[in-house]
Formats: sequence, structure tokens, C-alpha cells
Amino acid sequence: NAGVTQTPKFRVLKTGQSMTLLCAQDMNHEYMYWYRQDPGMGLRLIHYSVGEGTTAKGEVPDGYNVSRLKKQNFLLGLESAAPSQTSVYFCASSLGRSLEAFFGQGTRLTVV
Amino acid sequence: AQKVTQAQTEISVVEKEDVTLDCVYETRDTTYYLFWYKQPPSGELVFLIRRNSFDEQNEISGRYSWNFQKSTSSFNFIITASQVVDSAVYFCALSDPWLNSGGSNYKLTFGKGTLLTVNP
Repeated sequence: NAGVTQTPKFRVLKTGQSMTLLCAQDMNHEYMYWYRQDPGMGLRLIHYSVGEGTTAKGEVPDGYNVSRLKKQNFLLGLESAAPSQTSVYFCASSLGRSLEAFFGQGTRLTVV
Repeated sequence: AQKVTQAQTEISVVEKEDVTLDCVYETRDTTYYLFWYKQPPSGELVFLIRRNSFDEQNEISGRYSWNFQKSTSSFNFIITASQVVDSAVYFCALSDPWLNSGGSNYKLTFGKGTLLTVNP
């Protein structure tokens, strides 16, 4: 039972570099989310998707892009990383709006 | 305006004390869903409970219970006879429609969390 898998688990980037975080779920969930967690800020929604081929902006979308080409995958891209994007990133998925979300184990990203 | 407010940043108790974690939410919709999650020191996020806006019945599940009051937009989580293993950050979350989606797209918004420390 893999559930929600995030790749990579840790990454250090230099300012200006780009990278893609991969989230994969094997539960046939429609909803997928990307959050960032910073001390004292809780979990803030970056982008989310309510189905294959659809994405929407969350609370803090600037500097990030996403794609949901396949139902099971939700990619988060940083085109030009900035130190302010240093954070722990969590991906989550849920079967529907009323049901609990399942979370990945997180990706710790440091931008230097 | 913050949609999910957890006013308690940190709570420290001694084992066996009862603990109430407060959550106040804001939504314009009549259909919404509320959740509590736990994040232990290991970092993973664990689902605890769910409640929909149409069901204000408060329930007990083992040492956990909750108090949902629509009139005050509050969804408090209660731990009875706390244990050291309850030490974690607790998040309240709201699933409600995203603006301009015609009510079709829901998003899951979290509060800032409450750090609970249970001392032996």
C-alpha cells in the first residue's frame, strides 16, 4: 500500500535553479493538493487539482506551476528557485471534497 | 481574513489532564466539511476526525471527542486523559467551495496548528 509518494524527500537548490517535485498516488483519488509548511504558518495551499487535466491556484501560488496530465500524478514546478521557497512541501490526495486527505511524507527543500 | 483560526499556538499539560484544542472557521457556504489532523514529531500528517456541516452531533471516539457548534463556527477537538504520545501539532482544516468555481471546486484549508506538549 504505497498511498501517496513524494519524490524527492530532500533537495538543496541554488537560487535561480529549477526543479520539479513529483507526487504519485495509487488510490484513484480525484483531488490532489500541494502545500508548503513553514514554522508558525501552518500548511498553506499552493495549487490543487480536482481531476485529471485541471488545476487551480491556492493561497500562495506565485513562483510555482503545476500539472496533472495523469490522474495519479501531480507535479509541482519551481522555475527559478528563491530562498523564500525554502520549506517542507506536502502533497495530498482525497477521493472527494468531503473525505479525508492522505498525505505524502513531505519534501524538505532548501534554496541557498 | 483567515478562514481557519487556531488561536492557541502552544499548549502544555501534564499527563492525564484533559485538553481542548480550539478551532474557529469562516465560510459563506452551507455545505462544508471540517477535519482534524495530527502531526507527530516524526512529521507525517495523520487524519483524526471528519464532520460535515449538516451534522452537529458531537461524538466520542475513545479518548477523542469533538464539539461542533455552527452558531459560533467552532469545531473544537478534545483529548481526554492525555498521554505523552499525544504530543504533536494538531491542525484543524476546512473543505469548502473555492470562489468563482460555482460551488463545484472544493479546497482544503488548514489552520496554523496548535503544538500540544504532554509532559509525564
